[in-house]
Amino acid sequence: SQKIEQNSEALNIQEGKTATLTCNYTNYSPAYLQWYRQDPGRGPVFLLLIRENEKEKRKERLKVTFDTTLKQSLFHITASQPADSATYLCALVVSYNTDKLIFGTGTRLQVFP
Amino acid sequence: DSGVTQTPKHLITATGQRVTLRCSPRSGDLSVYWYQQSLDQGLQFLIQYYNGEERAKGNILERFSAQQFPDLHSELNLSSLELGDSALYFCASSVTSRGQNTGELFFGEGSRLTVL
Repeated sequence: SQKIEQNSEALNIQEGKTATLTCNYTNYSPAYLQWYRQDPGRGPVFLLLIRENEKEKRKERLKVTFDTTLKQSLFHITASQPADSATYLCALVVSYNTDKLIFGTGTRLQVFP
Repeated sequence: DSGVTQTPKHLITATGQRVTLRCSPRSGDLSVYWYQQSLDQGLQFLIQYYNGEERAKGNILERFSAQQFPDLHSELNLSSLELGDSALYFCASSVTSRGQNTGELFFGEGSRLTVL
């Protein structure tokens, strides 16, 4: 069956460190992969998009990698801050012929001072 | 502010009832998506409309239906409500070229439905 898996356990890290979140998928051949941030009770907010032919994308303190062989994306936040504490969701556009965007269950990040 | 407006923000109703959730997309966005988020399920894709036509369908129950109107706003109708339908329902919009998702989704703040 098709799955998008993110670590369901919360990730707790100290301020200033790099947070690394993982998104693994099975039985998909995604055209795009996106990362979103969601705060409690709020709608998700788009962070980054990476295409299947791109290995890495950066935006300020954020970096995303996409390995279609491993079927995995890694999301990094460098120099993390308490304000980065949120749930981070990865999402796949499952193919070029559809606009269906499927989300993983998300990983909660807690950055403590 | 994403520019996507959802109403109502909160709704409490009883089992067996019917409710309608409304979504106004960002100005210029042709695609509207509906998602359900419950505590144990994460964001579940329900359905997508593009310029008034159904584009993609997820695991949407037969008791649920949606439509997108000529002014591009969308409504999600939930009927014969059950306790398990209690969830946050999100609407999102995007600028979508026909056949391809070329960018991000902009989410509204959601409608929290509680079925008692």
